[in-house]
Amino acid sequence: KNQVEQSPQSLIILEGKNCTLQCNYTVSPFSNLRWYKQDTGRGPVSLTIMTFSENTKSNGRYTATLDADTKQSSLHITASQLSDSASYICVVSANKLSFGAGTTVTVRA
Amino acid sequence: IAGITQAPTSQILAAGRRMTLRCTQDMRHNAMYWYRQDLGLGLRLIHYSNTAGTTGKGEVPDGYSVSRANTDDFPLTLASAVPSQTSVYFCASSDSGTGSDTQYFGPGTRLTVL
Repeated sequence: KNQVEQSPQSLIILEGKNCTLQCNYTVSPFSNLRWYKQDTGRGPVSLTIMTFSENTKSNGRYTATLDADTKQSSLHITASQLSDSASYICVVSANKLSFGAGTTVTVRA
Repeated sequence: IAGITQAPTSQILAAGRRMTLRCTQDMRHNAMYWYRQDLGLGLRLIHYSNTAGTTGKGEVPDGYSVSRANTDDFPLTLASAVPSQTSVYFCASSDSGTGSDTQYFGPGTRLTVL
């Protein structure tokens, strides 16, 4: 069983709308959590990183939250744009990196 | 600055053939990694190198080998390709191998083994 579970597997939203992606993990001991964005046919690119003591981090229209007690993180996309269409991958760092399978977001005009 | 380059972009390979995927970084990062990405699964670590001259096995190392003769290059070799090695392969690098640094990924190599 994957130690990093992401939901939903995929979603479709209209341009301008908001959406929230979820990441639940069982990895321990926790060091940090990252969200990566992966455009189709490209390698992942880091969006945010949060350590144990941080519970929110923003990068433009992307806001990540972390609840280390419940081992949950979310990535909120505000006022989505067509360029937000991509896969979003949650990565948890313990003694090694554990990758979620990703959530595929499709933004439609 | 190119970052990380991978070659080839894609390749179709007959089963049993030998294949080397190339990876070069110009960021002078100490650590480099090879992952495979399959549909519905997260990125899985094949091999890694925390510094030039050293390598280590990741989660799925069987059928693959790597070398790290210098800081910049980290080739991945499939000695005798099998269809289950059909995947997209990503090379990545980071300043250190501690897990606290951001990993920077290459554009990937799409490999099909028939």
